[in-house]
Amino acid sequence: EVQLVESGGALVQPGGSLRLSCAASGFTLSVYSVTWVRQAPGKGLEWVSYILSTGTVIHYSDSVKGRFTISRDNAKNSVFLQMNSLRADDSAVYYCARVRGSQLARAYLDYWGQGTLVTVSS
Amino acid sequence: QSVLTQPPSVSAAPGQKVTISCSGSSSNIGNNYVSWYQQLPGTAPKLLIYDNNQRPSGIPDRFSGSKSGSSATLAITGLQTGDEADYYCETWDTSLTAGVFGGGTKLTVL
Repeated sequence: EVQLVESGGALVQPGGSLRLSCAASGFTLSVYSVTWVRQAPGKGLEWVSYILSTGTVIHYSDSVKGRFTISRDNAKNSVFLQMNSLRADDSAVYYCARVRGSQLARAYLDYWGQGTLVTVSS
Repeated sequence: QSVLTQPPSVSAAPGQKVTISCSGSSSNIGNNYVSWYQQLPGTAPKLLIYDNNQRPSGIPDRFSGSKSGSSATLAITGLQTGDEADYYCETWDTSLTAGVFGGGTKLTVL
């Protein structure tokens, strides 16, 4: 069974840092690209970041660029999201999702994790 | 303000048909493929439609997608109470070099 499991969410103070992990099971994550999507409480989905299977292509939304870093360890079947300089408006459930599609113009998210909650508050 | 525009809510009676629109521009929907996601209350989103109009295995043919120009539409026929959920469109934005979601549409089956 294909599964993605996020972890690392926590309560953190403004300006702090957090590292989220996305672990895959039931398939080999190393051959797939991965996207992080977040959802603030009571709000819609927001695309956050993308990493190609090889790690050689990375994209960020303007709202996190320069503060967040996506990476992967294919040997551990995992993808990470390092979040620095956290702000209150970064508070959200963070989902990782497997990307399908031969190119970004056709990319879609076929499997999602259950999400991990990040709360930024003093 | 989302890059892709969806109506905040739609409603219809059981058994009826509903459509959800998603409006964008040439930098996103106009030149890229659209996918649609269903999010039931308290759960993670689930893929409904990809490549504008393709259904993954297990998605009933009551759900269909289409695209024309810089707009896309999700249609749901034979509405069931279990279809009550939030629905999101998504695509790649070539100018932003980022993915973009619509603001989401809450479907109520009356």
